[in-house]
Amino acid sequence: DAKTTQPTSMDCAEGRAANLPCNHSTISGNEYVYWYRQIHSQGPQYIIHGLKNNETNEMASLIITEDRKSSTLILPHATLRDTAVYYCIVRDIYGGSQGNLIFGKGTKLSVKP
Amino acid sequence: DVKVTQSSRYLVKRTGEKVFLECVQDMDHENMFWYRQDPGLGLRLIYFSYDVKMKEKGDIPEGYSVSREKKERFSLILESASTNQTSMYLCASSLPRTIKETQYFGPGTRLLVL
Repeated sequence: DAKTTQPTSMDCAEGRAANLPCNHSTISGNEYVYWYRQIHSQGPQYIIHGLKNNETNEMASLIITEDRKSSTLILPHATLRDTAVYYCIVRDIYGGSQGNLIFGKGTKLSVKP
Repeated sequence: DVKVTQSSRYLVKRTGEKVFLECVQDMDHENMFWYRQDPGLGLRLIYFSYDVKMKEKGDIPEGYSVSREKKERFSLILESASTNQTSMYLCASSLPRTIKETQYFGPGTRLLVL
C-alpha cells in the first residue's frame, strides 16, 4: 500500500504556482520523498526527490516539513503542459524490496488557461 | 537522455495466446522493472531485475514471467493471455540503488486481450 495521502484533484491557473501537498505521517528515517508525474498516455516521469532539506531543480521545488510528515511540490509557473497526475512516493532506498516505488493514486492537476 | 523503448504501443491478442512484451534501454542501467497500470489501481509492480539473468517477483507476478538475457533488454511474457491481463504495461530502468536512483519509464504498451 502507498504510504502517502494526496488530494484526488486540483486546478491551477496557467502562469500561477501550483502547490501539490502530500502527507506521509508514517515516514521513517531512511525514507526519501520522491515525486513523479504522468502525462496522459505517457510513462511516469521523475521530477524531484529529497530527504529533509528543501530541494530545487529545473522542474520544481520540494518543501519538506521539519517533522517530515508532509511535503509540498511546487511548480513555480504552471503551464498547460504540466497537466498530469502527480505521484508522491516514499521509499527506503536501502531496504531491499521496500525500496521499490509504490505508486498511489496521485493528484490529477489540471492547469487551466 | 535516457531512452526506454517498448516494442509496441498497442497490442491486441486472443485469450490463450502467448504474448511477449519487449523493453530496451540504452543507458547501461542495471535495474529494470515491469509494471501494469489499471484505472483506480495505479501502477503495480509485476517483476524486476537487478542484473542479467536475475529476476525477482513484484507485487503481482501471477500469470507472468520475465527474461533478462542481456543487460539492455527485459522481456515480459504472458504464457497464456487472459482477459484480466488487459492493461497498460510500463517498463522502467534505473541505475543500482543509490540515493540518486530514479526510474526512467518507457511510453507503455496498451494490451487488449479478447
